[in-house]
Amino acid sequence: AQSVTQPDIHITVSEGASLELRCNYSYGATPYLFWYVQSPGQGLQLLLKYFSGDTLVQGIKGFEAEFKRSQSSFNLRKPSVHWSDAAEYFCAVGPDSGTYKYIFGTGTRLKVLA
Amino acid sequence: DVKVTQSSRYLVKRTGEKVFLECVQDMDHENMFWYRQDPGLGLRLIYFSYDVKMKEKGDIPEGYSVSREKKERFSLILESASTNQTSMYLCASSPRGTVQETQYFGPGTRLLVL
Repeated sequence: AQSVTQPDIHITVSEGASLELRCNYSYGATPYLFWYVQSPGQGLQLLLKYFSGDTLVQGIKGFEAEFKRSQSSFNLRKPSVHWSDAAEYFCAVGPDSGTYKYIFGTGTRLKVLA
Repeated sequence: DVKVTQSSRYLVKRTGEKVFLECVQDMDHENMFWYRQDPGLGLRLIYFSYDVKMKEKGDIPEGYSVSREKKERFSLILESASTNQTSMYLCASSPRGTVQETQYFGPGTRLLVL
């Protein structure tokens, strides 16, 4: 069955430090991969997505992610974190073949220290 | 910009009450979704709709029903609210077309059932 794993529930980094959030997936076919961000009290906003082509994907707010098929991973990175990046981040894969069902990870909550 | 609005940000209901959560999108999207978000569980799909009056069950439909009488509006109904339905509810929409389409999320409704 398809699944998404975000192994880190919480991550704390200092402002200005680099960031990497991990995402591993299990998917039978070529996956469509997404990263969303949820600021406190808000809905989810798309950061970036990967469907095909270049495995390094650029997104909004200075984020990027790299698709590594051999490792079944789609990790999110940012070279220098800002205090406003404190939020919860969700990785998603899908949709399931023949449906519109997307599978979301359990999320990683990012805390940024001043 | 795509806008997805949800009728309430916060809602408090009593056990056994009938609860309506409304979602409206203004971009003429064919697909609409209701998710439930709980800490440590990520987003779980309750129902989705791919057209007016069309619906399909998601992963956790028990205790919920939906209605889509107009393209822009997708309602989630809790026929008899229970305390285990206390949660954050997120609505999303996406255009039909390629399956890679991004989902656009509303701000969420935080429901407390007493």
